[in-house]
Amino acid sequence: EPEVTQTPSHQVTQMGQEVILRCVPISNHLYFYWYRQILGQKVEFLVSFYNNEISEKSEIFDDQFSVERPDGSNFTLKIRSTKLEDSAMYFCASRDDPSSGGYTFGSGTRLTVV
Amino acid sequence: EDQVTQSPEALRLQEGESSSLNCSYTVSGLRGLFWYRQDPGKGPEFLFTLYSAGEEKEKERLKATLTKKESFLHITAPKPEDSATYLCAVRLNTGGFKTIFGAGTRLFVKA
Repeated sequence: EPEVTQTPSHQVTQMGQEVILRCVPISNHLYFYWYRQILGQKVEFLVSFYNNEISEKSEIFDDQFSVERPDGSNFTLKIRSTKLEDSAMYFCASRDDPSSGGYTFGSGTRLTVV
Repeated sequence: EDQVTQSPEALRLQEGESSSLNCSYTVSGLRGLFWYRQDPGKGPEFLFTLYSAGEEKEKERLKATLTKKESFLHITAPKPEDSATYLCAVRLNTGGFKTIFGAGTRLFVKA
């Protein structure tokens, strides 16, 4: 069964450093998403992306965050200057049709900011 | 404000003891209601989509139902391998079809 692949599985970074989280969505999917889950809390929407542009973003997704699809297979989330409160599990998801059906989620990247 | 509330927070069952999980929602525009299963340290795994009141979906020991204000996930004769967190999520009728999640119900099934 097709999978969404995320790398790395765990990243530790110093506060103030830039991090890039990487995702390879399912190949025929066109709609991509980033969610995060702080330990013990809800899964929170960050951003949706289609046709090489952001279609929607949450209030969490401020100027420190950016997304990019640099080639035909990768989808990245960049955090420019990490803060302690950015520590969370970050999930990438994809879908072929955003208006119906569930997402396929990756296994996540655990980001620890120290 | 759009909101998804799940109850109970945690549920402990004996193997074979059937029960139900609840998801209530208050949203401005519903595009679909979803149930996911999440195992520790993993991403959510899609289970069901429900679109309209009265709709039901089944998969093995799980059955999801939907009314205008809430959804139930019924678990019939659960097994220990059904232990997981079950997440309810609602897709909004917004430009990016944003999906918001409830906090989940942690299910423990003891053999």
